[in-house]
Amino acid sequence: QVQLQESGPGLVKPSQTLSLTCSVSGDSVSSAAYYWTWLRQHPGKGLEWIGYIYYSGSTYYNPSLKSRVTISIDTSKNQFSLKLSSVTAADTAVYYCARFYYYDSSGDYPYYFDYWGQGTLVTVSS
Amino acid sequence: QSALTQPPSASGSPGQSVTISCTGTSSDVGGYNYVSWYQQHPGKAPKLMIYEVSKRPSGVPDRFSGSKSGNTASLTVSGLQAEDEADYYCCSYAGSNNFVFGTGTKVTVL
Repeated sequence: QVQLQESGPGLVKPSQTLSLTCSVSGDSVSSAAYYWTWLRQHPGKGLEWIGYIYYSGSTYYNPSLKSRVTISIDTSKNQFSLKLSSVTAADTAVYYCARFYYYDSSGDYPYYFDYWGQGTLVTVSS
Repeated sequence: QSALTQPPSASGSPGQSVTISCTGTSSDVGGYNYVSWYQQHPGKAPKLMIYEVSKRPSGVPDRFSGSKSGNTASLTVSGLQAEDEADYYCCSYAGSNNFVFGTGTKVTVL
């Protein structure tokens, strides 16, 4: 059973850097079939895709956040991480990590987020 | 990029059907058959219900179905049950390794 678990500070001061880690069990972040993803949900609002990373280290980010986002991967620990710099109150949200099913062995590109972490609330406040 | 447009709410009595629309542009919904739908209960993580417009993952009841016409995708829940009461979000690939979600629809079972 694939499980993802977010961890990191629940409170970050304005202008600082938000850092979260997603630990994966039941699967390998080195799998070629998946991208490892960060998303967020502002309180009472919809979902926003932040970006994702492939096992090779290739990263792709939401254009609206690209200048502040860094996603990295640690295959030895089976984890991947998010850093969001220069945060403001507008970055207060529940942050989710998720697995994105990119490619299957039959040659199809399913393109969906199938396993999600439980989410972690990060509040930006002084 | 703008969020895909969904109606804020939809409702139906048990056993009835409800259809949720998801309107984008030719750069996202209309341009790719990579529309997925997610169900989210309060305080929980989203759950995949539909992918590639109309495909159902294993374990998702066949009461859930998806379709697309032009720039608008739709999710239909037939035979509404109490446990279907939740928020629903559509998501579309928007090209260049970019994704956009819908504004969300709260489904109420009357």
